[in-house]
Amino acid sequence: KAGVTQTPRYLIKTRGQQVTLSCSPISGHRSVSWYQQTPGQGLQFLFEYFSETQRNKGNFPGRFSGRQFSNSRSEMNVSTLELGDSALYLCASSLAPTGELFFGEGSRLTVL
Amino acid sequence: AQRVTQPEKLLSVFKGAPVELKCNYSYSGSPELFWYVQYSRQRLQLLLRHISRESIKGFTADLNKGETSFHLKKPFAQEEDSAMYYCALAENSGYSTLTFGKGTMLLVSP
Repeated sequence: KAGVTQTPRYLIKTRGQQVTLSCSPISGHRSVSWYQQTPGQGLQFLFEYFSETQRNKGNFPGRFSGRQFSNSRSEMNVSTLELGDSALYLCASSLAPTGELFFGEGSRLTVL
Repeated sequence: AQRVTQPEKLLSVFKGAPVELKCNYSYSGSPELFWYVQYSRQRLQLLLRHISRESIKGFTADLNKGETSFHLKKPFAQEEDSAMYYCALAENSGYSTLTFGKGTMLLVSP
């Protein structure tokens, strides 16, 4: 079966712009979580959704937001981009919040 | 707040040598610990979890609550074990909220 799909894979934005990243989970998976990966901070948890409800949120400013749709697809949005937002954004899905995480290949965001 | 520490950024060994990737954690609750691995040009994937108490690809990890450690071990390293290894801790709320260590790159030379 198809794995977790993230789009776009690469994107370049300038400071002050906003960006929306998309994640399609494995078919049947209802839980989606997002992580930010940077060389300095490593992998950091952003948020987790299950059945369209945000279950948990990491320690990120309000510029970072997300949502999950009825088909379990998820989007995350970052507004007023800063240089420090340059990172690889990983999405992971699981059957349920207590299930094994399956990661996507990530969306690499560069902010200039 | 919970924290996961992997003290080594890089571990280089020869094929056939034993391997131990260190992981220490701090957490006030009852932790669920995992090891994730990322091979070159592949996605991050689960290697093993402590509640399963199983051996995957020859790797084992024992949770030591007294020393707050979850070291990953393999008696005889293979070249295909070369990868980035991440130790992760799950909060009580569920496995999807993981706190990751910064990772250890394992290089196995022939």
